Amino acid sequence: AQKVTQAQTEISVVEKEDVTLDCVYETRDTTYYLFWYKQPPSGELVFLIRRNSFDEQNEISGRYSWNFQKSTSSFNFTITASQVVDSAVYFCALSEENYGQNFVFGPGTRLSVLP
Amino acid sequence: EAGVAQSPRYKIIEKRQSVAFWCNPISGHATLYWYQQILGQGPKLLIQFQNNGVVDDSQLPKDRFSAERLKGVDSTLKIQPAKLEDSAVYLCASSFKGTGANVLTFGAGSRLTVL
Repeated sequence: AQKVTQAQTEISVVEKEDVTLDCVYETRDTTYYLFWYKQPPSGELVFLIRRNSFDEQNEISGRYSWNFQKSTSSFNFTITASQVVDSAVYFCALSEENYGQNFVFGPGTRLSVLP
Repeated sequence: EAGVAQSPRYKIIEKRQSVAFWCNPISGHATLYWYQQILGQGPKLLIQFQNNGVVDDSQLPKDRFSAERLKGVDSTLKIQPAKLEDSAVYLCASSFKGTGANVLTFGAGSRLTVL
């Protein structure tokens, strides 16, 4: 069955520090997709990135970067030079292609960036 | 492009009362999802529609929750009678198709408080 684990419940950093949010997943499918969403205090889930299981290239987008490692079933998210506006709850999610079409979300990591 | 619309944003009811939430997905999106997000947890899928048919409602408490998507566009989620543990944010999301690769776009959510 699909499962997503985000072991870090809450993280606090000071502005300009780098921070990595961990995500570990379980799946029986060979084709699957991993996602990160941001949920700011306003409550609306905002899509950040999608990776498919065949593409293990790391991706960088501005201050955000993602490290996908199939060998450890992890899809970690790093924010470089964090800013107060990065404060939010971040969710990792998994969607299988063949065994289920449903998104399964992890429990989320609450990130607080202090000025 | 208009986003996913949900109403009401907030609702407070007494236990054993009924409540209904409405969702209007992004135009052209065939798949619609209802998620329940309890405070401090990740979203949990309640029901997934493909056009006006149900794809998955395995986690919907059918003794009290019901949902419909008439004409394959708008959807309504109803709770009757409500219990204290139903206090949560009810998130509606839509995607172009229901395949694993598709990104879900979420509405702002409807926050339910059951007293």
